[in-house]
Amino acid sequence: NAGVTQTPKFQVLKTGQSMTLQCAQDMNHEYMSWYRQDPGMGLRLIHYSVGAGITDQGEVPNGYNVSRSTTEDFPLRLLSAAPSQTSVYFCASIGADSGNTIYFGEGSWLTVV
Amino acid sequence: KQEVTQIPAALSVPEGENLVLNCSFTDSAIYNLQWFRQDPGKGLTSLLLIQSSQREQTSGRLNASLDKSSGRSTLYIAASQPGDSATYLCAVRRSGTYKYIFGTGTRLKVLA
Repeated sequence: NAGVTQTPKFQVLKTGQSMTLQCAQDMNHEYMSWYRQDPGMGLRLIHYSVGAGITDQGEVPNGYNVSRSTTEDFPLRLLSAAPSQTSVYFCASIGADSGNTIYFGEGSWLTVV
Repeated sequence: KQEVTQIPAALSVPEGENLVLNCSFTDSAIYNLQWFRQDPGKGLTSLLLIQSSQREQTSGRLNASLDKSSGRSTLYIAASQPGDSATYLCAVRRSGTYKYIFGTGTRLKVLA
């Protein structure tokens, strides 16, 4: 079982560049989300989706876009990277048939210079 | 607004000790609470999930308790080992949503 797969694992961007962090899950989970983790601040919710075609904002959505065209994929787009977006990004999913456990990907380390 | 606090932020203990990690939350309207382990440079691994109707869950040397009325959960680790060294995070899921609110974690070091 692959679970939740994120790519890339590491990325360095220049200020103003755009990029997409990919997230895919093979557990047929309806709910998917993106978090960022910063030192001393825990994980904060960026965007989430409760099913294909449905997305909503979390706690810190500014500077990020998401889409959910399929159940499996939930990419996170950085529109114009800023140094404040240097962080570790985690994708997660929850399925009703998984005991409501939240499953995380391995993380994507992003540095914006 | 739900806030989740974990105390202490860091803990260092000798091998073999039993220890307790604390998690407190401000809003008792939760669906469940989950404890996670995070190793350096890695993602989060779920350890225990407690539904709001439950009082505790056990897995091996780990036992998590939940007291919703007082807004507290504890993670008990028996006979700690150096391999238990990691950061432990708790998160609460708000009732009626899929959103999780995370604490900032307790960084545990078990000394051989």
